[in-house]
Amino acid sequence: NAGVTQTPKFQVLKTGQSMTLQCAQDMNHEYMSWYRQDPGMGLRLIHYSVGAGITDQGEVPNGYNVSRSTTEDFPLRLLSAAPSQTSVYFCASSRTTQADTQYFGPGTRLTVL
Amino acid sequence: AQKITQTQPGMFVQEKEAVTLDCTYDTSDQSYGLFWYKQPSSGEMIFLIYQGSYDEQNATEGRYSLNFQKARKSANLVISASQLGDSAMYFCAMREGVYNFNKFYFGSGTKLNVKP
Repeated sequence: NAGVTQTPKFQVLKTGQSMTLQCAQDMNHEYMSWYRQDPGMGLRLIHYSVGAGITDQGEVPNGYNVSRSTTEDFPLRLLSAAPSQTSVYFCASSRTTQADTQYFGPGTRLTVL
Repeated sequence: AQKITQTQPGMFVQEKEAVTLDCTYDTSDQSYGLFWYKQPSSGEMIFLIYQGSYDEQNATEGRYSLNFQKARKSANLVISASQLGDSAMYFCAMREGVYNFNKFYFGSGTKLNVKP
């Protein structure tokens, strides 16, 4: 039982490049989400999904795309990277009810030059 | 307006003492969940404790307890008998929303340093 896995762990991009951050979970959770963590700002929700084919925006969705074709996978796409997207990105999964905690992946540290 | 406010950017506590980390929240929903997470310097997020908005008793998990004051919209984390391993960032979070379409909101965190 691997929990939530994220790849890569570290990434450096140049401005304007695109890339996909991968996230997978093996707990059969319907709810998956992406956050970015910036110093002094806690975690901010980018996008989330409540099941295959169903996604919604969070607090800071601009510049990011998501899709969910399977229960297990929830990739995050940066279409044209900007220095403002330099951050640590966390993927998380949980069941869908309010009482359920999220389980977090180890994070991806992204630097955009 | 901020959904979750943590007003203590950093705190020090002596080993074996108790410490309270403050958290206030803002919601107009009647049903919501409140969570605390710990983030050590290694970076992983660790779930500590949960309190539901309809729970009348304060939640407890080992040395962690949640001081829930619904009328004041506060959900403070109390750590009893602090240990050196408690040194970390602590985040308060709220989960609110309709049915499955609920969202988590996090505070900016409190960095706790436990002194020997």
